[in-house]
Amino acid sequence: QKEVEQNSGPLSVPEGAIASLNCTYSDRGSQSFFWYRQYSGKSPELIMSIYSNGDKEDGRFTAQLNKASQYVSLLIRDSQPSDSATYLCAVNGGGANNLFFGTGTRLTVIP
Amino acid sequence: DTAVSQTPKYLVTQMGNDKSIKCEQNLGHDTMYWYKQDSKKFLKIMFSYNNKELIINETVPNRFSPKSPDKAHLNLHINSLELGDSAVYFCASSQDQGPGEKLFFGSGTQLSVL
Repeated sequence: QKEVEQNSGPLSVPEGAIASLNCTYSDRGSQSFFWYRQYSGKSPELIMSIYSNGDKEDGRFTAQLNKASQYVSLLIRDSQPSDSATYLCAVNGGGANNLFFGTGTRLTVIP
Repeated sequence: DTAVSQTPKYLVTQMGNDKSIKCEQNLGHDTMYWYKQDSKKFLKIMFSYNNKELIINETVPNRFSPKSPDKAHLNLHINSLELGDSAVYFCASSQDQGPGEKLFFGSGTQLSVL
């Protein structure tokens, strides 16, 4: 069983701070890595994808991937109250698009 | 226009009943999925279809039967509902079935089995 592990939180950060969300995965053959954001009572929406080692930046979001350590993270700079949500890490092991999700980290940004 | 729409949004039913959830996508995508999210927010894939063909069938009781009449629709029929089936069911679609495809989720169906 492929596993994706996340700290469930809650993670609380003050407005304007950097929020750091972490994820580890068990399948060394995983090729694609995603961060989805899910507001309470809503559906998940993709915010970042990363496929190769290193950093990938998109606005206030930076995804980091280290395949040797089987570790992927999401940094949110200048956190805003609107960033308060559950962040789901998802990993694909190749082949068909069979995503394995972590249980999510609940982030609260305090005004 | 809603990209991935599923109905109903809420479904409350008694144990033993049979129910269906419908899903439609207007994105022109080839691949559709059903995911189940339990009370602990764990999101797990159940099925995926590519151009009406079953691609992924995770370990799901055979009381759950997906049906794809065309590539824009993927319905989920559940027989003999059990308490443990209570969850939020999300339909999703992607352009194709490759490992890097972005998923577009519907708004979810909250199923409560009493």
